[in-house]
Amino acid sequence: NAGVTQTPKFQVLKTGQSMTLQCAQDMNHNSMYWYRQDPGMGLRLIYYSASEGTTDKGEVPNGYNVSRLNKREFSLRLESAAPSQTSVYFCAHRGALNTGELFFGEGSRLTVL
Amino acid sequence: DQQVKQNSPSLSVQEGRISILNCDYTNSMFDYFLWYKKYPAEGPTFLISISSIKDKNEDGRFTVFLNKSAKHLSLHIVPSQPGDSAVYFCAASVGGSARQLTFGSGTQLTVLP
Repeated sequence: NAGVTQTPKFQVLKTGQSMTLQCAQDMNHNSMYWYRQDPGMGLRLIYYSASEGTTDKGEVPNGYNVSRLNKREFSLRLESAAPSQTSVYFCAHRGALNTGELFFGEGSRLTVL
Repeated sequence: DQQVKQNSPSLSVQEGRISILNCDYTNSMFDYFLWYKKYPAEGPTFLISISSIKDKNEDGRFTVFLNKSAKHLSLHIVPSQPGDSAVYFCAASVGGSARQLTFGSGTQLTVLP
């Protein structure tokens, strides 16, 4: 699992409900990322964190919040879910070399009705 | 506007033959390119990369070619094996930065036995 654990793996929400996707890495890496994958769109960066306590917006941050309380964990929160947020979400971390090589979790499939 | 394009959503190849997956990009600032492979219900995994100072990089059965003037890269798999059946994403970045990684939409490769 590339040292990344994502929970839950599947979730169904109703419009307006909130939820948090959890991600934990055991590689002691600084940089962590949240992506979403949609059909025909590839992977798009939602938020990233360069180190504990810091976060920055990616390409598609609207409707999401993140939290990096410690080096190991990076969570993604949907405060009021919308059908447009139906997607597969991937958490990733990066090794010491900034070469674009990321290690991804298995993904969390979210359906918003 | 997609800066990294994979125009073929799918490709079928006979086992033992060559698979060629193509990727085009528009941003001339991109100088580091990667290919990821993704199996169903798993996260993407890094496969091979190439820097813009090279035009070819080889790793076993996998070779990536870069044509900077055409803004085109391709992944060759020789010989193709059924276990290579997966979705392949190309990605590009500026300066190798994972923060600025831009993914293509993916190509589903099916290797027929």
